[in-house]
Amino acid sequence: VLTQSPGTLSLSPGERATLSCRASQTISSSYLAWYQQKPGQAPRLLIYGASRRATGIPDRFSGSGSGTDFTLTIRRLEPEDFAVYYCQQFVSSEGITFGGGTKVEIK
Amino acid sequence: QVQLQESGPGLVKPSETLSLTCTVSGGSIDNYYWSWIRQPPGKGLEWVAYIYYSGYTDYNPSLNSRVTISVDTSKNYFSLKLSSVTAADTAVYFCARLRWTPNYYYGLDVWGQGTTVTVSS
Repeated sequence: VLTQSPGTLSLSPGERATLSCRASQTISSSYLAWYQQKPGQAPRLLIYGASRRATGIPDRFSGSGSGTDFTLTIRRLEPEDFAVYYCQQFVSSEGITFGGGTKVEIK
Repeated sequence: QVQLQESGPGLVKPSETLSLTCTVSGGSIDNYYWSWIRQPPGKGLEWVAYIYYSGYTDYNPSLNSRVTISVDTSKNYFSLKLSSVTAADTAVYFCARLRWTPNYYYGLDVWGQGTTVTVSS
């Protein structure tokens, strides 16, 4: 199980966003990804391997963590960054699990 | 550039079978894993199933008995069937490419736009 916190983060453009994803048991950081989803759109891959940015993702997005605790940081929020963010793990014997999501909203 | 497009009925009656297809264009279906993910209205993402181009499959245990995923490499598409549907299966269904090697997981890196399926009589 992946637990994301907070459920909602209210911030202003230019501020730093820190999103947490906690796993119920230790997982390999190689199998942890983050996605951004805007209303009416499909999710977009931001981070894989806990810290590697996907193609075309701006460097204001960064991922970190290991074991059971992982973090997505958005260094300076741009207007287009207000969205819902999901962490996700992949375990070959168990399949794919998503966290419940964190909504980043404009304060 | 690889693109995915979901297709299928937007309305399915309770107890019937939901059938969706994801067409892969701009690239080959070979040598990749392909997945279905769904999102009920106003809720989060739920993985449904994935398949390797060679036919290896894995299913969400909560749906396992009702789900079948298949692939047609000659036509470059893969499909989903979900039987005995109820209102709880109403969702946007996304198809996505899953990049995974024995040593690393690269994420669900290409997604379709999603298709809305409503279960109602």
